[in-house]
Amino acid sequence: KAGVTQTPRYLIKTRGQQVTLSCSPISGHRSVSWYQQTPGQGLQFLFEYFSETQRNKGNFPGRFSGRQFSNSRSEMNVSTLELGDSALYLCATQALGGPEYTQYFGPGTRLTVL
Amino acid sequence: GDSVTQMEGPVTLSEEAFLTINCTYTATGYPSLFWYVQYPGEGLQLLLKATKADDKGSNKGFEATYRKETTSFHLEKGSVQVSDSAVYFCARGNFNKFYFGSGTKLNVKP
Repeated sequence: KAGVTQTPRYLIKTRGQQVTLSCSPISGHRSVSWYQQTPGQGLQFLFEYFSETQRNKGNFPGRFSGRQFSNSRSEMNVSTLELGDSALYLCATQALGGPEYTQYFGPGTRLTVL
Repeated sequence: GDSVTQMEGPVTLSEEAFLTINCTYTATGYPSLFWYVQYPGEGLQLLLKATKADDKGSNKGFEATYRKETTSFHLEKGSVQVSDSAVYFCARGNFNKFYFGSGTKLNVKP
């Protein structure tokens, strides 16, 4: 099976712009979670989507949003970018049902805000 | 609430030394437990997992045992290599949600 893919791998934006990141899950995985990773804050949970519905949400401002499509692919959007949004954004996908609760991660999108 | 606590790093060891990275968790129910590893510039890779009490997960010489009585899942390796230098994350998860520890950076010196 192909792994989790994220596009683009690298992005450079300026303050005030918006950005959209994409995550394609492993075939058959219906849950997609997004995380922000920074050196100072570690790995922080943004939100999780399952069957096109946001099921869990972390403590991030409304500038961070996401969605999931019927094929389970997910996008996250950050509007009005701030310098502090520079981070590695990771998505993780999960097959639900049965004993398989493992999350599998993509390689991440490195976002730099100038 | 539910959480995962792991020892702070960095941990610096010489090659062939014994490694232990402590991890404890709080949880309701019976979560699965995981160790992930992250190499520089990459995403997290699953290292090993255990799905029920007393299970031992193992991979690449690393192992961890699901200890329900002490709510722990400590990572061990008998002889580390320079190539094991990375950040290690402990996690607990179930159908509903995953929780990650803050990560422990391991530096292995030749």
